[in-house]
Amino acid sequence: AQSVAQPEDQVNVAEGNPLTVKCTYSVSGNPYLFWYVQYPNRGLQFLLKYITGDNLVKGSYGFEAEFNKSQTSFHLKKPSALVSDSALYFCAVRENQAGTALIFGKGTTLSVSS
Amino acid sequence: DAGVIQSPRHEVTEMGQEVTLRCKPISGHDYLFWYRQTMMRGLELLIYFNNNVPIDDSGMPEDRFSAKMPNASFSTLKIQPSEPRDSAVYFCASRLTGQGAALHFGNGTRLTVT
Repeated sequence: AQSVAQPEDQVNVAEGNPLTVKCTYSVSGNPYLFWYVQYPNRGLQFLLKYITGDNLVKGSYGFEAEFNKSQTSFHLKKPSALVSDSALYFCAVRENQAGTALIFGKGTTLSVSS
Repeated sequence: DAGVIQSPRHEVTEMGQEVTLRCKPISGHDYLFWYRQTMMRGLELLIYFNNNVPIDDSGMPEDRFSAKMPNASFSTLKIQPSEPRDSAVYFCASRLTGQGAALHFGNGTRLTVT
């Protein structure tokens, strides 16, 4: 069975500092990995994904994530945080085969202070 | 593109009443998913469809929950009878078939059962 773990319920960072939101996964076979962001009273918005190829993927709003197969991790990063990045972030995984569904972690609240 | 459209945005009902949530996926998307979000359990997959056919309903919590997709542009999630523990935000999402296709979420229906 596939699963996702986000070990931190909350991450606090000062504006301008780099941020990392952690994610580890478990899946049989090769994974498709995703990051989504959720703002209050809104649905989840797609940020970036890893399917294959380069382990460092770049996404929306300056975010990037690094796929590490040996550590089964897919941490979200940004070199310089903005107050507007404050939101709830979800990591998600699905198996690399047709017809599978996305399984989400519990989410990490990112709080960026000015 | 109007995105995934859910209605109503908010629903308040009394215990024992029937509740119907509605979803219009993005045109051309052939997968549709229903998720439920609560503080305690995070995002849970309830059921998903491919080409209007239910593929996996193992996440549907009880027989009180049912979902249909009569055509490619419409799906419903019904709870009958509703209970206070059903209170949550229910999201509909859709995607294309294809390697690593991203999910697109609606803004959700916030259900409160009193």
